[in-house]
Amino acid sequence: NAGVTQTPKFQVLKTGQSMTLQCAQDMNHNSMYWYRQDPGMGLRLIYYSASEGTTDKGEVPNGYNVSRLNKREFSLRLESAAPSQTSVYFCASSVTDSSTDTQYFGPGTRLTVL
Amino acid sequence: ILNVEQSPQSLHVQEGDSTNFTCSFPSSNFYALHWYRWETAKSPEALFVMTLNGDEKKKGRISATLNTKEGYSYLYIKGSQPEDSATYLCGPSGSARQLTFGSGTQLTVLP
Repeated sequence: NAGVTQTPKFQVLKTGQSMTLQCAQDMNHNSMYWYRQDPGMGLRLIYYSASEGTTDKGEVPNGYNVSRLNKREFSLRLESAAPSQTSVYFCASSVTDSSTDTQYFGPGTRLTVL
Repeated sequence: ILNVEQSPQSLHVQEGDSTNFTCSFPSSNFYALHWYRWETAKSPEALFVMTLNGDEKKKGRISATLNTKEGYSYLYIKGSQPEDSATYLCGPSGSARQLTFGSGTQLTVLP
């Protein structure tokens, strides 16, 4: 099992460019999440999908869109990248969105917006 | 969104020392608390999930306690080793079910 995979690992964008970060899990989990990690701020939830076909905003959704393509895949799109979106992005999944379910994280995507 | 504080922000200890750090969170609307270990250049990995007041969990030399009435959890590491060097994150959840992570305690164990 690969667990949670993310592509790409690194990306540099210019302001205004768009891109999609891909995430896939092979653990048959129902719930998936996108976080961003900035120095001194821990992990902040951008969007999550409790189950296939549903998506909800997290703490910092502005400037992002998501698509739960199927049970395995959850993508994060930046329509018009801004320097404030320079961050490390982590995807995670859990069996359900219950408070007690462990989240399993991918390796992260390091994004720089110039 | 819960207000979560972890202290200290960073900590340097000598190999063999025991250490502990704190996660504080609002005691109202509490459902569960997660602890994660995050090594540099890797992904966060789950250590514990705790739900009940007075809960104590242990994994090898690492243990954690939970006080939901006063809103805190302690993580203890006994006999720290260099491989324990990592950032330790706590994440409580409330009725919204989503985790709110603290900014972490960065532990460095010096050989």
